[in-house]
Amino acid sequence: SQKIEQNSEALNIQEGKTATLTCNYTNYSPAYLQWYRQDPGRGPVFLLLIRENEKEKRKERLKVTFDTTLKQSLFHITASQPADSATYLCALPMDSNYQLIWGAGTKLIIKP
Amino acid sequence: ETGVTQTPRHLVMGMTNKKSLKCEQHLGHNAMYWYKQSAKKPLELMFVYNFKEQTENNSVPSRFSPECPNSSHLFLHLHTLQPEDSALYLCASSQEMSGDSQETQYFGPGTRLLVL
Repeated sequence: SQKIEQNSEALNIQEGKTATLTCNYTNYSPAYLQWYRQDPGRGPVFLLLIRENEKEKRKERLKVTFDTTLKQSLFHITASQPADSATYLCALPMDSNYQLIWGAGTKLIIKP
Repeated sequence: ETGVTQTPRHLVMGMTNKKSLKCEQHLGHNAMYWYKQSAKKPLELMFVYNFKEQTENNSVPSRFSPECPNSSHLFLHLHTLQPEDSALYLCASSQEMSGDSQETQYFGPGTRLLVL
């Protein structure tokens, strides 16, 4: 079955630097992949969707890449700010149906 | 405001209690979901409703019972829970579920449940 791996260790980044988070999957290549942000005590909030035929997607300071050969998506936040501190989740659809399966998320801490 | 509300936000219950979680979405969506989120674990999908019909029950114990009276409301009825059921329960909605869909999901704030 499909598995998603995100770095379970918190990522500490200095304010102003670029933060890069990784999402690896193990089996089939999904038709698309999504990234969400989750703040403590809140539900996830959708950020970006990238399709399998797209190498890169941008939204303001956010950039997502999708490498179907490496089975990996990278999520970048440029010019990071303390307000970017949160847990970031990746999700992709199951092969057998259209349910999403989720990574456990990576906690990002931006230090002033 | 995400357009998806959940009540209560926090709930403490004993193992013999019966309680219900409520979710309401104001987005005009046709699919609604219940997820369980435990610390440092991925979201676990519990139930899915598409156009008020339950489409998935991912091997969830019968002590959890969902109800979807209409496309805007979703309930999760709880009875005789175990301490390991303590978690954040999240409700989400999307436009609908279909084979070609690339639906994003909109989440409520969750109910933090503690079973004593």
